[in-house]
Amino acid sequence: DVKVTQSSRYLVKRTGEKVFLECVQDMDHENMFWYRQDPGLGLRLIYFSYDVKMKEKGDIPEGYSVSREKKERFSLILESASTNQTSMYLCASSPLQGGTDTQYFGPGTRLTVL
Amino acid sequence: DAKTTQPPSMDCAEGRAANLPCNHSTISGNEYVYWYRQIHSQGPQYIIHGLKNNETNEMASLIITEDRKSSTLILPHATLRDTAVYYCIVRVPTNTGNQFYFGTGTSLTVIP
Repeated sequence: DVKVTQSSRYLVKRTGEKVFLECVQDMDHENMFWYRQDPGLGLRLIYFSYDVKMKEKGDIPEGYSVSREKKERFSLILESASTNQTSMYLCASSPLQGGTDTQYFGPGTRLTVL
Repeated sequence: DAKTTQPPSMDCAEGRAANLPCNHSTISGNEYVYWYRQIHSQGPQYIIHGLKNNETNEMASLIITEDRKSSTLILPHATLRDTAVYYCIVRVPTNTGNQFYFGTGTSLTVIP
């Protein structure tokens, strides 16, 4: 079974702090994704990566950056956390583009910025 | 612009079929329809996907209209464990990979 793990289930940070959210997958998938999930807005794509050191902006990249130094690890970085970044953050991975590139999700990190 | 629209909530009696509709009227010919569900406090879980033919697997059936502007996810015998938010998603190919556009989903409650 594919396993996607996220470093924390719950995280509380203060405004202005630098925040790192880590995601690791164990299936050698090329593609990795970061979403945020907010009530009434569904899942929105922040960034995705299709290879090591490669990244693409999603729909809402402002205020975020990402890092992919190794194939199995994709990090989401909040350079200076703000209260409007309080949300559930979901990481996903999928194999290389094809007809059945199902995304596998981690359990999520609920981030609260005070 | 939302690529999919779904009713916000539905109820279904346990043991009955749950039919979850989705509109994707602007879908293009090479864009797949995917369905995921999310049980409370967990990440989304893949259910099924299709392009233009109806599909069935051990979890559900997917019925896509001939014009591809809408689809229906069918859970043939709903159980209490099927209570979840169900997302209808359009997968859009891009130069750098496929992007998944999630809607706001349908919250399905299975009633005993």
